[in-house]
This record gives sequence, structure tokens and C-alpha cells, in this order.
Amino acid sequence: SAVISQKPSRDICQRGTSLTIQCQVDSQVTMMFWYRQQPGQSLTLIATANQGSEATYESGFVIDKFPISRPNLTFSTLTVSNMSPEDSSIYLCSVPKLLAGSETQYFGPGTRLLVL
Amino acid sequence: AQKITQTQPGMFVQEKEAVTLDCTYDTSDQSYGLFWYKQPSSGEMIFLIYQGSYDEQNATEGRYSLNFQKARKSANLVISASQLGDSAMYFCAMSRSGGSYIPTFGRGTSLIVHP
Repeated sequence: SAVISQKPSRDICQRGTSLTIQCQVDSQVTMMFWYRQQPGQSLTLIATANQGSEATYESGFVIDKFPISRPNLTFSTLTVSNMSPEDSSIYLCSVPKLLAGSETQYFGPGTRLLVL
Repeated sequence: AQKITQTQPGMFVQEKEAVTLDCTYDTSDQSYGLFWYKQPSSGEMIFLIYQGSYDEQNATEGRYSLNFQKARKSANLVISASQLGDSAMYFCAMSRSGGSYIPTFGRGTSLIVHP
């Protein structure tokens, strides 16, 4: 299984500021995914980050608010811009995993963000 | 479209006892995969177990087993000999074989193991 690391593991930020979260994988992967998990909720996919192309955003998420970089096959960043308290969540990156023909994902340890 | 339903928002179990976490699903796909993830308070999502729709035997991984009843469209997680470290959120998920690697997640069940 892939080893995924995220930085920072947690942060407390002031509203109106921006935070960039880094995700590093120990092997090359074509796709990386970014999720948001608001308090007490399940995971919501923000976007799919493909190397060499623009990220694909899910409904309700826009590039201006959540810009994503994917400079190579082992690294991606997600920026949470102009933060408000509603952005307080766990942010997780993940990579695809194929299991006997079925596709799922392995997740990083997450970044716990609190916006004051 | 795929849908995962976890009807138990919270479950309690005594240490060393077994517990079953319910998961039902809905899909029109013939080939799919079912998964369970554990999320402790640290926030990381830990992959636990996988069941393919064509697998005839229930999947097992150590103390975890998946009670797969295809006709009922259920994929319940059974944890045997519960440990205090099992206290966490548990998410059921499914994905379509040949799809986009993006699983559909349930809302999760919070499990608390009492000493």
C-alpha cells in the first residue's frame, strides 16, 4: 500500500487568511484526490488532481477557493483561500487503489483545520 | 447511482465482545466493491476490509469480517473481541468496478468500546 504524508497535521488560522496543505506519496500515481470532512459529517470530494492538467472540481467547489497544484506524480497541494469558520474541517488527500478489480482509495493522515 | 446507508449513528460494545456495524447499499451495477474504513479521533482514514460483489465467501481480515448478503444488499462489518482501540468512526463505502476510483461513502457509525 502507498505511504501518504500530509503537512501540516493540524493548524489554527484566522479568518481571511489562506493555508496550503501538502500531500506527498511514496510512489508515482496518476490521480490524487482531495476531500473535506466537516465536523460530524462524512467525506466530500473536493477535486481530482491529475498531473499535467487542471484539477477537476466537484459541484460546489471552485478553483478560486480551493486552488490545487500537481507538479509531479508524487506530490500535490491544496490551498484553502480566504478562510472562514465554515472551512473548519479535516482535509484528506488520497490515491487510487485497485483491489481485485474494484477501485477504492488509500488516505493520508489528514489535516485538521480550525478557523477562528 | 450508488448509495450507502448506515443507520446506526452510534454503537456501544463491551470490551472483548463482538459488535456488528450495519451497512446497506443500492446500486444497479453488476460488478462493484464494498469497503470499510476506520477513522480514529486523529482523523486519518484507515482501510480495513474489502469485499467484491462476485466473491462467494465473506472477507476476513484478522478480527474484522464482512457479512456480505448480496440479495439483501447488505455488507455489515463484524468486529470480534472488541478492544478499547477500536473506538472510532467506521465508514462503509462502495465503488463501481471499472469506474473512476471514487467510492461512495456512508455517513458513518461511531463505535465506543467500554472497558
